[in-house]
Amino acid sequence: GQQLNQSPQSMFIQEGEDVSMNCTSSSIFNTWLWYKQDPGEGPVLLIALYKAGELTSNGRLTAQFGITRKDSFLNISASIPSDVGIYFCAGQLPGKLIFGQGTTLQVKP
Amino acid sequence: GAVVSQHPSWVICKSGTSVKIECRSLDFQATTMFWYRQFPKQSLMLMATSNEGSKATYEQGVEKDKFLINHASLTLSTLTVTSAHPEDSSFYICSAHLGLASYEQYFGPGTRLTVT
Repeated sequence: GQQLNQSPQSMFIQEGEDVSMNCTSSSIFNTWLWYKQDPGEGPVLLIALYKAGELTSNGRLTAQFGITRKDSFLNISASIPSDVGIYFCAGQLPGKLIFGQGTTLQVKP
Repeated sequence: GAVVSQHPSWVICKSGTSVKIECRSLDFQATTMFWYRQFPKQSLMLMATSNEGSKATYEQGVEKDKFLINHASLTLSTLTVTSAHPEDSSFYICSAHLGLASYEQYFGPGTRLTVT
C-alpha cells in the first residue's frame, strides 16, 4: 500500500536554529497536511496544502507541496523550546489520511 | 472552531472487560469520524472510519467484532474495545473532518487505555 517516508526521524537543535523536514512518497497525493503532536495529546493541524507547488506559511512555519505531488517539506524558522514535539506529514487518499512515521524535534534552550 | 473531545482521557481496566471511548465534535457536525491507534514512538494507524447512520468501515487487519464502532449522531462516535487484553493497551485517538469539501482532519486529545 501507499507509504510516506518522512525524514529525518529525529532532530536535536539549538534554540534559534531553523529546521527542515520532508516527506516523500511513490504515490501522488492531492492534499498534504502537516501536524504536530505533543506527548500524550492528539495531533494538531499546522498547515494544509492543496495545490502542487503551493507554498503556505503559518507564523514561523512554512510548508510546500511538491510539483510532482509526491513530496512536501516543512520548515520552522527561529526555533523555540515549545516547538518540541513530533511532526507528522499526512497525504490524503480517498476517504482517509496516510501518515508519515514522524520527525521528533528536540530544542535545546 | 473544529474542536473534538474524547472521554475518558485515560482508563485502566482488567483483562476480559469492555471499555467504551467517546468522541465528540463540539462545535460542528461530523458525518464522518475516524479512529486511530498509536503505539509508543510510532505513527498513527487508522483503525476504522465511522459513518453517521451506517456501519463503520474497518481497515484490513482490524477486528470489527473486537472494536465496535457506533456513530449514532452527527456529533458522537463511540469505540468499544470488547474483551480487552493487555495487547490492546494503546493510545486511541479519534478525528473528524468538517465535511465533504474539507480534507482537514481535526483530532481529539486521545484516550490512554491500559489493560491489566
